[in-house]
Amino acid sequence: QSALTQPASVSGSPGQSITISCTGTSSDVGAYNYVSWYQQHPGKAPKLMIYDVSNRPSGVSNRFSGSKSGNTASLTISGLRAEDEADYFCSSYTSSDTRVFGGGTKLTVL
Amino acid sequence: EVQLVESGGGLVQPGGSLRLSCAGSGFTFSNYYISWVRQVPGEGREWVSSIGGSGTRTNYADSVKGRFTISRDNAKNTVYLQMNSLRAEDTAVYYCVKMGNYYINDWGQGILVTVSS
Repeated sequence: QSALTQPASVSGSPGQSITISCTGTSSDVGAYNYVSWYQQHPGKAPKLMIYDVSNRPSGVSNRFSGSKSGNTASLTISGLRAEDEADYFCSSYTSSDTRVFGGGTKLTVL
Repeated sequence: EVQLVESGGGLVQPGGSLRLSCAGSGFTFSNYYISWVRQVPGEGREWVSSIGGSGTRTNYADSVKGRFTISRDNAKNTVYLQMNSLRAEDTAVYYCVKMGNYYINDWGQGILVTVSS
């Protein structure tokens, strides 16, 4: 199972919005609404930010939103804050009843 | 508070075996799928294996199928990953994770497995 494709890095200024893409295939991202997104600060455990494409767990800011079109899922962060600077990675369920991850995207808040 | 604590990692020669353990607490252990995810430092993550709450349902990544076996002992709140015929490419930090339906709710701190002669 090939990894999902994410940009290596994105950046934005405080207050702006950014979008991170996560591209898979018709056997994973395109087949199911089971894409999740995680935030990881250095030295910390990953934190679930979005599940099932667009659902936010309790306690996650509504500045974080998810969507999907075809084989590409996206995470959008609006009103960027310094504390949003972190690594973000996606994951999807697959038709083989397995999971696949994206390579991760480093978000820099300028 | 959910806790997942991995143990059993270390240095092993190619072709050797190792058994990882994951002890869970702070939740009703038998109600949840548990998975293993690995990551080579500086690289992406790779899902390795999952096991259902009762232990009857398991699945594996193609890269480890036939070499790794996942199991659990709900009386001990522990999941195991038996790793046989280890290869250099199995070198990674292995994380035990607690699953939601199709996502990961909680991560362990990770444990390093190094396969080298």
